[in-house]
Amino acid sequence: GAVVSQHPSWVICKSGTSVKIECRSLDFQATTMFWYRQFPKQSLMLMATSNEGSKATYEQGVEKDKFLINHASLTLSTLTVTSAHPEDSSFYICSARDVPGSTDTQYFGPGTRLTVL
Amino acid sequence: GQSLEQPSEVTAVEGAIVQINCTYQTSGFYGLSWYQQHDGGAPTFLSYNALDGLEETGRFSSFLSRSDSYGYLLLQELQMKDSASYFCAPNSGGYQKVTFGTGTKLQVIP
Repeated sequence: GAVVSQHPSWVICKSGTSVKIECRSLDFQATTMFWYRQFPKQSLMLMATSNEGSKATYEQGVEKDKFLINHASLTLSTLTVTSAHPEDSSFYICSARDVPGSTDTQYFGPGTRLTVL
Repeated sequence: GQSLEQPSEVTAVEGAIVQINCTYQTSGFYGLSWYQQHDGGAPTFLSYNALDGLEETGRFSSFLSRSDSYGYLLLQELQMKDSASYFCAPNSGGYQKVTFGTGTKLQVIP
């Protein structure tokens, strides 16, 4: 099956710094990738839809200037949390949609656990 | 808009069968996916129904009724490792986003 990787798997940073998370589709091309955030014991909350070669589409309530998304190639999307604060500590998960077909499946990366001190 | 309804929690005994229901409302519908997520892990794809009826994959089966906007995930011969959260996710097709509901937390007890 399709594989999506994320890097780093966990990161601890100081308040006010920026953190970049990479999401890669390893064996397929992903025109569209999605970024989710999940707080403990809660569901996945879609943050934004990342489209290759164009600007990301952000969900309501998500600050686009704080969560910068770049989808520079068909296999790589990055999420940069700028000026991170403790409330940004969360589990960030990306997913990539396979080429539209019969299953239209999303494949998820393993997630990145961000802790802001 | 889109809405999803799933039970928030289900408890079942090891070896038993459990059914997790999902009702949905979505503009545009191509099929219903199911995902499993263990605590601390990322979601993994379980099954997809594009057509009405039952799809079987080992111990897991998924059912869809498009006319009723309803589906369910059936887990048979429950094992302790099946304790996880399960999400149904309607697909609106193409490059449209998929929004996850709150999911169903399944606890399997001895």
